[in-house]
Order: sequence, then C-alpha cells, then structure tokens
Amino acid sequence: GAVVSQHPSRVICKSGTSVKIECRSLDFQATTMFWYRQFPKQSLMLMATSNEGSKATYEQGVEKDKFLINHASLTLSTLTVTSAHPEDSSFYICSAPWDSVYYGYTFGSGTRLTVV
Amino acid sequence: KNQVEQSPQSLIILEGKNCTLQCNYTVSPFSNLRWYKQDTGRGPVSLTIMTFSENTKSNGRYTATLDADTKQSSLHITASQLSDSASYICVVSVPVRSNNNDMRFGAGTRLTVKP
Repeated sequence: GAVVSQHPSRVICKSGTSVKIECRSLDFQATTMFWYRQFPKQSLMLMATSNEGSKATYEQGVEKDKFLINHASLTLSTLTVTSAHPEDSSFYICSAPWDSVYYGYTFGSGTRLTVV
Repeated sequence: KNQVEQSPQSLIILEGKNCTLQCNYTVSPFSNLRWYKQDTGRGPVSLTIMTFSENTKSNGRYTATLDADTKQSSLHITASQLSDSASYICVVSVPVRSNNNDMRFGAGTRLTVKP
C-alpha cells in the first residue's frame, strides 16, 4: 500500500532554532502533501497544503514565514519550523492522497517536536 | 461547532469485550466517511472507508456502519484486544477536486482495553 515516511519521529530543540521535518512518499507520487498539527487529546488541525512545484497554501492563522513548506519533488515535502518557541511544541503529521477513487489518504507516522 | 462529533470521548473496556464508537456529522454533502486508528505518538491508519451509498464496511474485527439519512456512523470492535487501545478518529470528506483536502476530523474517541 501507499506509504509516507516521516522523519524525524522525535526532536528536541532549543528556542530560536529551526527544525526541518521531512515526508517522503515511498511507492507513489505525492503531488500534494497536507501538514497537520495535533495537540494532546485534540484532533488534527490542517496547517497547510503543499503542491509540488508551487507555493504552499496556508490555513488562516498559520504563519507562513514561521512554518516554511517546500515541495520540490513528487516524493518529498518538508516543513521547517523557524525560530521555534515552546508554544510550537506539538505533534506534526503529514498526509498525502494516493487513491483517486476514494480520495484515500495515507498519513506519516508523525513528529513530536519539543522546544525547550 | 465541530462538524464531526464523536462519542464517547474516552472508553475503558476489558479485553475480549465488544464496544461501539459513535460519530455524528453535519457535513453536507459528503463524499466519504473514514475511520482511522491512531496509536499514541503515531500517525492515523485507515480502518474503513465508506461512500454515501454504503451502509456497512468490515475490516477484520472492525465493522463500520453509516446512516446517511441521520448522518450517523458507528465503529464496532469485536473481541477487543490490548492492541486496540488507541484513539479512533472519524473523518468526513466533502466532494472536491482530486487531491484537494477537505476532510473534517472528529476529535476522536480514546479507547483503553484492560486485561
């Protein structure tokens, strides 16, 4: 089945530094990648949508200069959290559509970001 | 108000017992409804996908039902196992162009299976 590999699974960084999260589609081409954020005991919240070769679309309230998204190839999308602050600590998950019939989506395994 | 409401928020059952999780939605129209299982610290994994014309779908010990008239879905887990402990998320999608994301996520039900 379609697999999205997400790395790293966990990262701890200091305030003010930047962290890059990668999502790779292993056995299909992901022209679109969705990036979510999830706080404890809450549902996934869509942050942005990246499309290969074009600028990402950000949801209202998400700072595009803080959460940089790059989707330079059909198999790789990255999310960079710049100048991280403790309030950016969260669980970040990517997802890509792979099934055009059912609009099936496959999710990455998630990245736990802790900013200290 | 969330367009996808799940109940209960959390549930504790004994190993081997059955349970049913509920999902009510107000999204209309919708193209499909999915149930995902999310282990702690992991990404969601798809269990079932149903279009508006389907009213039941099984995946092993998981059986999902859908009543498009009342906008309700349920996920029934049979003979629960310790590994079933996870959050179960109901996701409703609206019809959009391919590769456009318009999924509405429920907050999930946290299931704990105890020995």
